[in-house]
Amino acid sequence: TQLLEQSPQFLSIQEGENLTVYCNSSSVFSSLQWYRQEPGEGPVLLVTVVTGGEVKKLKRLTFQFGDARKDSSLHITAAQPGDTGLYLCAGGGNAGNMLTFGGGTRLMVKP
Amino acid sequence: NAGVTQTPKFQVLKTGQSMTLQCAQDMNHEYMSWYRQDPGMGLRLIHYSVGAGITDQGEVPNGYNVSRSTTEDFPLRLLSAAPSQTSVYFCASRPSGMDEQFFGPGTRLTVL
Repeated sequence: TQLLEQSPQFLSIQEGENLTVYCNSSSVFSSLQWYRQEPGEGPVLLVTVVTGGEVKKLKRLTFQFGDARKDSSLHITAAQPGDTGLYLCAGGGNAGNMLTFGGGTRLMVKP
Repeated sequence: NAGVTQTPKFQVLKTGQSMTLQCAQDMNHEYMSWYRQDPGMGLRLIHYSVGAGITDQGEVPNGYNVSRSTTEDFPLRLLSAAPSQTSVYFCASRPSGMDEQFFGPGTRLTVL
């Protein structure tokens, strides 16, 4: 079974601060996705990274896939209250090409 | 397009009762899957389907059945509900060849 561990589990910061969320595994994944979930809703895809060492930017969010394709990070610059939510990483390449999800990082950005 | 729809939104069952969670998608996606979400455990795959007539077990299949008679529908059946099945259930779909999963709004189930 491929496992993904996210850290930290919870993060509470003030508006304007920077933060990094980590997603680690001992297994290699063919792709790594980051989702954001708001209360009462399903997760929504933010980004997919597929190449070791790949860096993708989405406005204030920077996503990186580790060189060995076993880990990933999400960095948010100048966090805003609208960034509040549950961030989930998910690795692809399992049986049936289904995803393995990490436990999630719950972020709260206070104004 | 409505995307992925799930019904009901909320459900309360007594131990031993059975019920079906409905999921439908109108995007003609080949892949559909069911996940349960529990605090601190992310999303765990229950069952999935790669096309009509084809289903397979995920990480936590015990106590659940699925069928895929059409491309659009993928119902999840709880045979005899147990308190351990109290959770939020998400249905998702995606086209073959793409990684992005499209999730429904979820069903919050409580088993007393």
